[in-house]
Amino acid sequence: KQEVTQIPAALSVPEGENLVLNCSFTDSAIYNLQWFRQDPGKGLTSLLLIQSSQREQTSGRLNASLDKSSGRSTLYIAASQPGDSATYLCAVDTGANSKLTFGKGITLSVRP
Amino acid sequence: EAQVTQNPRYLITVTGKKLTVTCSQNMNHEYMSWYRQDPGLGLRQIYYSMNVEVTDKGDVPEGYKVSRKEKRNFPLILESPSPNQTSLYFCATHRTGLAFFGQGTRLTVV
Repeated sequence: KQEVTQIPAALSVPEGENLVLNCSFTDSAIYNLQWFRQDPGKGLTSLLLIQSSQREQTSGRLNASLDKSSGRSTLYIAASQPGDSATYLCAVDTGANSKLTFGKGITLSVRP
Repeated sequence: EAQVTQNPRYLITVTGKKLTVTCSQNMNHEYMSWYRQDPGLGLRQIYYSMNVEVTDKGDVPEGYKVSRKEKRNFPLILESPSPNQTSLYFCATHRTGLAFFGQGTRLTVV
């Protein structure tokens, strides 16, 4: 059974810091991996999608990497801003009925 | 604009009173699913649908029903809600991997 882990559960950093959020998964036979952002009381917004054949994806200040063999992904946020404060979730799709298996998320707080 | 629309956004109901949470998408995607999100447990899949009239159970289907009569709509039905179904519910759709989620329905069963 696929399990996705995100540690730590919460992170607080000063504005301007570059930071890395980690995600690990137990079964390397994945179809893709996505990083989502969730604001309090809101839905999930997909930030980056990495297909299993890819090693990384970039969007603006965000860069996500994928190492299938070691079961790890990282989300790199450059020059963090208070507006980046949110919960970040990673999810893997194993291709079986397209179900997404989520980590519990990392709640990020960027202090001005 | 790609959208997944859920209604209602907030609902307080009493135990045993049947309710339906609606979900509609405008992307003509075949795949739709429902998740619930609970503190400490994260997001878990309830039901999914690969296409019209094709539905199947996810990880936590007990106490829920779904139907898929049209491609755009995928309602979640609670025939007899119980307090343990108090949760934040999300409808989602995706194709070629990219997932789109609704804004969520916060359900409280008293």
